[in-house]
Amino acid sequence: GAGVSQTPSNKVTEKGKYVELRCDPISGHTALYWYRQSLGQGPEFLIYFQGTGAADDSGLPNDRFFAVRPEGSVSTLKIQRTERGDSAVYLCASSAQGNTEAFFGQGTRLTVV
Amino acid sequence: DQQVKQNSPSLSVQEGRISILNCDYTNSMFDYFLWYKKYPAEGPTFLISISSIKDKNEDGRFTVFLNKSAKHLSLHIVPSQPGDSAVYFCAAYYQTGANNLFFGTGTRLTVIP
Repeated sequence: GAGVSQTPSNKVTEKGKYVELRCDPISGHTALYWYRQSLGQGPEFLIYFQGTGAADDSGLPNDRFFAVRPEGSVSTLKIQRTERGDSAVYLCASSAQGNTEAFFGQGTRLTVV
Repeated sequence: DQQVKQNSPSLSVQEGRISILNCDYTNSMFDYFLWYKKYPAEGPTFLISISSIKDKNEDGRFTVFLNKSAKHLSLHIVPSQPGDSAVYFCAAYYQTGANNLFFGTGTRLTVIP
């Protein structure tokens, strides 16, 4: 597709379960970002990939959160032992190398009950 | 620590009038600023940006002004249209970092027909 695609669009899970959120960036974009947006807040940075490697994971809140991008394209954000405080919209964005305007997906709304 | 702040959570403007959305930042290392527009259930979409070497950038009905000494920027929309009703996020980054964006908390603009 032409834009950033995220699946699923909505995910409801029980506290303590494991979830995976997927992001398909724009073809050819080498930079990929994950953000988290809580209610009433702006998006907050989680992790940044340049190609296959995580160039900056300083925004990940704790070791329950992990993300991969094994082939430099699709990325998966993984959350272990989910907590109710993890409920938020998780946004993925991609940009071409050297380009500052990131393009966002529609987000995955995660609800932990 | 909120490095980018949007102190007005909402703004209502009559159609045809000017909308002015404000943003303040605290980190003097920021050298690039962007505005994103967000509709419900969609990801943020890039609107307009400005480099710190400029004090104004214009694109159609949208103009962004930057006052570095005051660490303040604003987005002007004129004339405002009902389709402009959305949440507007101010964002900033610095090129010596990972290019991840620091977002404000957003301002909900309502343009009244």
